[in-house]
Amino acid sequence: GQQLNQSPQSMFIQEGEDVSMNCTSSSIFNTWLWYKQEPGEGPVLLIALYKAGELTSNGRLTAQFGITRKDSFLNISASIPSDVGIYFCAGSNSGGSNYKLTFGKGTLLTVNP
Amino acid sequence: KAGVTQTPRYLIKTRGQQVTLSCSPISGHRSVSWYQQTPGQGLQFLFEYFSETQRNKGNFPGRFSGRQFSNSRSEMNVSTLELGDSALYLCASSLVAEETQYFGPGTRLLVL
Repeated sequence: GQQLNQSPQSMFIQEGEDVSMNCTSSSIFNTWLWYKQEPGEGPVLLIALYKAGELTSNGRLTAQFGITRKDSFLNISASIPSDVGIYFCAGSNSGGSNYKLTFGKGTLLTVNP
Repeated sequence: KAGVTQTPRYLIKTRGQQVTLSCSPISGHRSVSWYQQTPGQGLQFLFEYFSETQRNKGNFPGRFSGRQFSNSRSEMNVSTLELGDSALYLCASSLVAEETQYFGPGTRLLVL
């Protein structure tokens, strides 16, 4: 089955630093999504990418859909303490009955004020 | 627009019991998916429903089942609970043709 490798597993950074995390897949996806999850809550959608090569921003967050359709990255600029949480990448393919998301294992981000 | 709601938020059961979890999707969303989240396995897909039909199923035993009602609300049921079923169960909804899924807060199930 499809697998997503997300790295790094965890990051401990100082407030104000930039952060980068990425996901790679053994097979192609036609949609990449990035979510953030805080303790006791469900994942919250940050950015959705629908086209290979697409670069999309949401405030201090920027994500790109890799040209090969097998990878994506997320950058967070000028991190702040409320950025703390677990960041998940997810991929999916539409068409047929394959309506499901495959998730990476997550990147735990800790921001030191 | 109200988000995805799940009830109950917390649940404690004992081995061998069964449990039913409920999910109300975002208004207008007709697809509902369920996921199990554990520290060891991460987020694992359980099943997806659209127009009261299960379209896709993950690799879970038959003890895990679900259904969707005509108003798009969905329930999932776990029978004969095992200790390993302790997890956060997440429901997500999406529009008909999009893959952008929006998650609820989850139901945290503890099996003793």
